[in-house]
Amino acid sequence: DAGVIQSPRHEVTEMGQEVTLRCKPISGHNSLFWYRQTMMRGLELLIYFNNNVPIDDSGMPEDRFSAKMPNASFSTLKIQPSEPRDSAVYFCASSGGLAGTVEYFGPGTRLTVT
Amino acid sequence: RKEVEQDPGPFNVPEGATVAFNCTYSNSASQSFFWYRQDCRKEPKLLMSVYSSGNEDGRFTAQLNRASQYISLLIRDSKLSDSATYLCVVLHYNQGGKLIFGQGTELSVKP
Repeated sequence: DAGVIQSPRHEVTEMGQEVTLRCKPISGHNSLFWYRQTMMRGLELLIYFNNNVPIDDSGMPEDRFSAKMPNASFSTLKIQPSEPRDSAVYFCASSGGLAGTVEYFGPGTRLTVT
Repeated sequence: RKEVEQDPGPFNVPEGATVAFNCTYSNSASQSFFWYRQDCRKEPKLLMSVYSSGNEDGRFTAQLNRASQYISLLIRDSKLSDSATYLCVVLHYNQGGKLIFGQGTELSVKP
């Protein structure tokens, strides 16, 4: 299995631009999670989906952030407009059950907003 | 106060040493516990689950004390390859089943 796939691996953009991060979960997994990691705040859960349905988006920082999961094999996290404080590593993870079962993380997308 | 608190370290130890990490959690409704490992600039990976009776996996031993809301990880005979950040993770279903990560404890094993 290829594991969780994320793209791009690195993204540098200017403030105000739209950023779209992509994730392909492990085949057969029915839960997908988006996390953000910074030195200051550590690893934070932004949103998670179960069977393509958003279950908890309370971690999404503000309306500039949105996430979709149109099918079982693809999810996007969009930031529009981006701000320098959005600079972080964004991880996607998937699991074979509800949150709390073993989660497998993707390699992350390192986002820099200048 | 953070929900999951860990000593950030760094812990600098020689090869072969035994090292212990501690973690406290504030929500008594927490139901599942894990240790994850994260190498520099890499993704977190599950190291082991933590069971009420304590559990061991090779050189790694995890303990849980629900009364004190305390979790520990013991690494015996530490190797250079154990150098990483160790994340304490708790889950409580009354928050939608979210995993809550501690800030991590950095370990550096020196020759």
